Amino acid sequence: AQRVTQVQPTGSSQWGEEVTLDCSYETSEYFYRIFWYRQLFSGEMVFLIYQPSFDTQNQRSGRYSVVFQKSFKSISLVISASQPEDSGTYFCALSERGGSALGRLHFGAGTQLIVIP
Amino acid sequence: DMKVTQMPRYLIKRMGENVLLECGQDMSHETMYWYRQDPGLGLQLIYISYDVDSNSEGDIPKGYRVSRKKREHFSLILDSAKTNQTSVYFCASSSLTEVFFGKGTRLTVV
Repeated sequence: AQRVTQVQPTGSSQWGEEVTLDCSYETSEYFYRIFWYRQLFSGEMVFLIYQPSFDTQNQRSGRYSVVFQKSFKSISLVISASQPEDSGTYFCALSERGGSALGRLHFGAGTQLIVIP
Repeated sequence: DMKVTQMPRYLIKRMGENVLLECGQDMSHETMYWYRQDPGLGLQLIYISYDVDSNSEGDIPKGYRVSRKKREHFSLILDSAKTNQTSVYFCASSSLTEVFFGKGTRLTVV
């Protein structure tokens, strides 16, 4: 069963626009974490931000923030003032294990974003 | 410097040959992973290791095995490689709040 779903296979924006990328997930766990990664064209995976389920506050890191809707099991990544360097494939990932280790990380299929100069 | 290193970066093997992909990390992380990435499918978990000799199957373990004899090293082995194992393989290790990825190994089985 697909645990993490990213329904937008592709997206685009103009330089300076705000971009929202959506992700939904399935879990029966009370405690879990959601991660966002960007994959560069080289293949390198870059960590962007993570949201723990116990924190009702939306996390923010620089130009990245999330909109976490726990009751709907959805989380969106928001990129403010998008730049051409933000182009790449964005992955949402779910970790269901609590405690002292992350455990299994389940990835969505990704959203390929192009920011047009 | 926090780093996950994968060797080799590119590899071409003939069908039926054995393949060894190696991964190292310098962060003393207990948990390490092997994923494969195919177009349109995101990253699929092959194996997870919780520490030395404590390995568990992921979602697609068939055709693969792993070895972890030291905390900093995690190897992926393909015995008798098949053409459908052509893919990009990523190794990763995790702290409590972040997963660190290697740069990937592009394996082609011909």
